[in-house]
Amino acid sequence: DAKTTQPTSMDCAEGRAANLPCNHSTISGNEYVYWYRQIHSQGPQYIIHGLKNNETNEMASLIITEDRKSSTLILPHATLRDTAVYYCIVRPLYNTDKLIFGTGTRLQVFP
Amino acid sequence: GAVVSQHPSRVICKSGTSVKIECRSLDFQATTMFWYRQFPKQSLMLMATSNEGSKATYEQGVEKDKFLINHASLTLSTLTVTSAHPEDSSFYICSALPHGTNEKLFFGSGTQLSVL
Repeated sequence: DAKTTQPTSMDCAEGRAANLPCNHSTISGNEYVYWYRQIHSQGPQYIIHGLKNNETNEMASLIITEDRKSSTLILPHATLRDTAVYYCIVRPLYNTDKLIFGTGTRLQVFP
Repeated sequence: GAVVSQHPSRVICKSGTSVKIECRSLDFQATTMFWYRQFPKQSLMLMATSNEGSKATYEQGVEKDKFLINHASLTLSTLTVTSAHPEDSSFYICSALPHGTNEKLFFGSGTQLSVL
């Protein structure tokens, strides 16, 4: 079973920051938080992952609370091409375990 | 970044026929690959875990005789849907875990199967 909960859907204006929350209150000490997104009729795309420190890459920033029970994915300047379903997943880093997907958040970026 | 190639992207077949879907890791070796299925407006459901050189591990409720998985090399895994029926129509997605680093999974672009 998925270990995360996310809002079903969110809207964001183009050019504004999109902040996508995720709750993972039962996360274990060795589990990382991963974010993937899926654009319609494509395979999921890796965005970012982190353990406890905030992370940033060319796509997004990941903010993890100090107690690690929740996190927020930030797309700093959303574009129409960021419209997708965003999945937050917890998984041990060095482990061959599968990724279990929850229901995700459907982000709609509008002009 | 690592590339996972999945073919075909779309296939239409008659009921009762078998369909093979290929998943290749193009620039890395993958000891482990995963196969998912996705119905419209639903999340991805894991079907099976495929390890190179050994039998696949199927999730509960997935028929291993219907969904044959072969992982004969470190760069190729195949999923064969045998005796396909309309209810097998779905979006099938593979993913690969780079050998030696289990940091993140890379996904193929998916295969839309339509069984008439």
